[in-house]
Amino acid sequence: DTGVSQDPRHKITKRGQNVTFRCDPISEHNRLYWYRQTLGQGPEFLTYFQNEAQLEKSRLLSDRFSAERPKGSFSTLEIQRTEQGDSAMYLCASSLVGVGTEAFFGQGTRLTVV
Amino acid sequence: RKEVEQDPGPFNVPEGATVAFNCTYSNSASQSFFWYRQDCRKEPKLLMSVYSSGNEDGRFTAQLNRASQYISLLIRDSKLSDSATYLCAVHPTGTASKLTFGTGTRLQVTL
Repeated sequence: DTGVSQDPRHKITKRGQNVTFRCDPISEHNRLYWYRQTLGQGPEFLTYFQNEAQLEKSRLLSDRFSAERPKGSFSTLEIQRTEQGDSAMYLCASSLVGVGTEAFFGQGTRLTVV
Repeated sequence: RKEVEQDPGPFNVPEGATVAFNCTYSNSASQSFFWYRQDCRKEPKLLMSVYSSGNEDGRFTAQLNRASQYISLLIRDSKLSDSATYLCAVHPTGTASKLTFGTGTRLQVTL
């Protein structure tokens, strides 16, 4: 399968714990996005990378959130000291760079904070 | 005003009907536009890009109206399997920017 893959698919954690999610983009894609989606809402932008550079971060991304893409391939999103409000689907997408290029999503990681 | 706005619906239509959704965007410099389909508890899947000249793929037609800053999606001969949420997405300012989504429009096609 050469699509975007995310791991894990589901994560249940206790409030206050740290969690880390991984995203492997489509191999030739140099742009990688992280989004968060809650019920009834569209995906909300968190951050994106072009190769290994993190080019933009949303104001939604508090200090407890950090994302990396160290070698310009896979990316990780870490949430420290999780809160119940962090419960959501975390989606990763990748694309090539350029006007009109299409972004493709992974299946997401569903986080439940109890 | 939100960057990208959609009517959340739901749109309930009978099988075989034609249904249209609009999506408005606030940034007049936006350059790229897309429609995604999202099934319940699944990831968004790209349905089609929206070009200035319009785009048609089978029963689906997407159009862009730059003057009024909206894109539209028309579905002809609706099928039960078209039931889903349709998300529009916009690149606000060309290449060096994030892809921004609307909240989605829910479509329910019934017998």
